[in-house]
Amino acid sequence: DAGVIQSPRHEVTEMGQEVTLRCKPISGHDYLFWYRQTMMRGLELLIYFNNNVPIDDSGMPEDRFSAKMPNASFSTLKIQPSEPRDSAVYFCASSWGPSRSTDTQYFGPGTRLTVL
Amino acid sequence: GDSVTQMEGPVTLSEEAFLTINCTYTATGYPSLFWYVQYPGEGLQLLLKATKADDKGSNKGFEATYRKETTSFHLEKGSVQVSDSAVYFCALGNQGGKLIFGQGTELSVKP
Repeated sequence: DAGVIQSPRHEVTEMGQEVTLRCKPISGHDYLFWYRQTMMRGLELLIYFNNNVPIDDSGMPEDRFSAKMPNASFSTLKIQPSEPRDSAVYFCASSWGPSRSTDTQYFGPGTRLTVL
Repeated sequence: GDSVTQMEGPVTLSEEAFLTINCTYTATGYPSLFWYVQYPGEGLQLLLKATKADDKGSNKGFEATYRKETTSFHLEKGSVQVSDSAVYFCALGNQGGKLIFGQGTELSVKP
């Protein structure tokens, strides 16, 4: 079975450019999570969706970040405009979710973003 | 707020040595506890979990016991292999459905 799919795997862009990261969750999973990983701050939850609806976006760092989930099989995380401090590995994860606190989250391979 | 604290790395061991990675947590209510592992260049994978006090999670020779009285979930393995070299994350799942991660502990196993 396919796991969580993320694209691109690597993205190098220049400051000020728009960046779009994509995620396809595991089929049948109701929850989708976006995380950011950096050496300084570790793993941070940015936002999560339940049944395509954003539930908690309190981790989104600022208005330059936005996320959408137009359907159950696709989500995007957009940064506009990008800044060098956005350089990180961005992970998407999904889970089944009937018992949110105990369900396993399945992570994608991540997108390594470098903003020059 | 909820938080997880792990022992700092990197931890360097020889093959077949005993491994302990300490993890303590602070949470309201009764969280679930997880250990995830991240191999180089990959995403996180669930290693084991425990959903209530005194539960023991185990997988691939790794074990951890949910100790409510000491708010701990220490990871142990009796004999590590070179292939266990990775970063290990302790996490708690709170009632809001979020996973709160520790900072990660890098393990390096030498032949």
